[in-house]
Amino acid sequence: SQTIHQWPATLVQPVGSPLSLECTVEGTSNPNLYWYRQAAGRGLQLLFYSVGIGQISSEVPQNLSASRPQDRQFILSSKKLLLSDSGFYLCAWTRQGGNEQFFGPGTRLTVL
Amino acid sequence: DAKTTQPTSMDCAEGRAANLPCNHSTISGNEYVYWYRQIHSQGPQYIIHGLKNNETNEMASLIITEDRKSSTLILPHATLRDTAVYYCIVRVAAGSWGKFQFGAGTQVVVTP
Repeated sequence: SQTIHQWPATLVQPVGSPLSLECTVEGTSNPNLYWYRQAAGRGLQLLFYSVGIGQISSEVPQNLSASRPQDRQFILSSKKLLLSDSGFYLCAWTRQGGNEQFFGPGTRLTVL
Repeated sequence: DAKTTQPTSMDCAEGRAANLPCNHSTISGNEYVYWYRQIHSQGPQYIIHGLKNNETNEMASLIITEDRKSSTLILPHATLRDTAVYYCIVRVAAGSWGKFQFGAGTQVVVTP
């Protein structure tokens, strides 16, 4: 069976510090991968998606970046965090051409 | 991808059916209707999807109007654990570039 992992589960970081969130998928190959952010009380905002290693599409301009160094690994990064980067970050995957999107448990980031 | 319109919130009594409407008047012929739900502080969970025929699974039923401009998600016997935000999404099913655009959703509160 397939599983998706995210870590850390929670993170408190000062403004201006770097960020690295990791997402890995097990039990499948060549998945589409996604990063979403959800601000408190708001809907999900698609940040990045990837259809293959090294292939990243950005949905919104921001100080975040994403990378896919391996087939089932998706990393969200920032060189300098802003207060507005606080939120609930969700990683998700789909099969190529699949109908269902599977979400990870999320990382709750608080920038102080 | 077409946009969707959902009510902001709705209440439902435990044990009764919950009918969640969604308008997608600009849906294209090759776009499917998907429903997800998000329980507080968790990642969204897939419920059901359909193209033009009504669909039913162990969680819910999806009724799509003949003109496909609107749909209704039916939770046949709501329980307290069904309290969540429900998202209606339309997207093209196939294609490795497929994205899921989540709107604000409908906050459903099931009361005893």
